[in-house]
Amino acid sequence: DIQMTQSPSSLSASVGDRVTITCRASQGINSYLAWFQQKPGKAPKSLIYAASSLQSGVPSKFSGSGSGTDFTLTISNLQPEDFATYYCQQYKTYPLTFGGGTKVEIK
Amino acid sequence: EVQLVESGGGLVQPGGSLRLSCAASGFTFSDHYMDWVRQAPGKGLEWVGRTRNKANSYTTEYAASVKGRFTVSRDDSQNSLYLQMNSLKTEDTAVYYCARNRRGGSNYDYGFDYWGRGTLVSVSS
Repeated sequence: DIQMTQSPSSLSASVGDRVTITCRASQGINSYLAWFQQKPGKAPKSLIYAASSLQSGVPSKFSGSGSGTDFTLTISNLQPEDFATYYCQQYKTYPLTFGGGTKVEIK
Repeated sequence: EVQLVESGGGLVQPGGSLRLSCAASGFTFSDHYMDWVRQAPGKGLEWVGRTRNKANSYTTEYAASVKGRFTVSRDDSQNSLYLQMNSLKTEDTAVYYCARNRRGGSNYDYGFDYWGRGTLVSVSS
């Protein structure tokens, strides 16, 4: 199975900050990488597919990059509604696997 | 508007069975692959299984943790996805989400784009 490792596991940031979350795959996955946002008690929301393409309706403050084994999610101009847990996921091979999550908290 | 609504969760004893449903609307259900993803209390997301579309013979894939116990199926005439769960274990306790795997031309994979709100399954004696 492909292991997905996110870092950091949590971070504290202020409104208006720019934050970057890293996701590393245990083997190459080309660009078959997605990012999701989840708020407490809510379903995940899809943000990015193919490492850098925004899902429909997702604001451009979210951006993704990377290919192969190393990927990043960047959130610009952090707003109160962006404080949540973020997950990466590889969909190159079965079983599909998720990272452990990064909790973005208010400083 | 795309909607996915799960149902069928509840409390079940270890070794028991449960069938979850996911009612889909707002899109051509038969075109897309559909998946189940679960989340144990306070934990991260875990992929459970997938059914492909008719064009791909409704074939299925499963996580090792549920293979042989869970079955993913669909009824395109009812726009519904199902998860039959047998031989349930306490570690199957989780919120179960259905998710749409969007497919485009030449079967291009857009990943999961829509999720349901989930249904809670509790396995306990």
